[in-house]
Amino acid sequence: QVQLVESGGGLVKPGGSLRLSCAASGFRFSDYYMTWIRQAPGKGLEWISHISMSGSTFYADSVEGRFTISRDNAKNSLFLQMNGLSTEDTAMYYCARSSTPSRSPGARGIDYWGQGALVTVSS
Amino acid sequence: QSALTQPASVSGSPGQSITISCTGTTSDIGGYSYVSWYQQHPGKAPKLIIYEVSIRPSGVSNRFSGSKSGNTASLTISGLQTDDEADYYCSSYTSSSAVVFGGGTKLTVL
Repeated sequence: QVQLVESGGGLVKPGGSLRLSCAASGFRFSDYYMTWIRQAPGKGLEWISHISMSGSTFYADSVEGRFTISRDNAKNSLFLQMNGLSTEDTAMYYCARSSTPSRSPGARGIDYWGQGALVTVSS
Repeated sequence: QSALTQPASVSGSPGQSITISCTGTTSDIGGYSYVSWYQQHPGKAPKLIIYEVSIRPSGVSNRFSGSKSGNTASLTISGLQTDDEADYYCSSYTSSSAVVFGGGTKLTVL
């Protein structure tokens, strides 16, 4: 069965950095776009980035230039390097998979989500 | 990348039908047939219930249906059940190859 397990969340001071990882299993990782989505406490979903099978990357304006998404297809892993963190970045961060191989998450939606990694930015 | 516009809340009684709207622009909803809908129960990850405006993934009840007209997409839930009480989010593909979500709608089943 498909599993996505995030790690690397925690408490960080404003201006600090954090690297999230997502270990994927149960499907052919290299065939799918992968996405990071966050949800601030009590707020809605916010798409922040996705990456194609070959490594093309896409970012929300709110994180462009501060966050970097990457993947290692050989290790079935997705990453999110977060720099210049602010209190507005405090959220649960979800790793997620597009519902259809080779299709963007915007086109066919997202069918599997991890349990989330909590990132708290506070002094 | 402005969020799509959804009503903050809707409500209905068991057995009734409700519709949730999702309004965007010609750069997202109006420009593509790539609208998805998600259901999220408290403390749970979202669940995909509609993609490409009106297609239900396998296993999703046919009580859920989607449509689109111009820059506005809609999700209709018929025969409301208590378990339908949840937050619902729309999303769309955008002209910059990004994804944009709506602000979410809380459905209360009275």
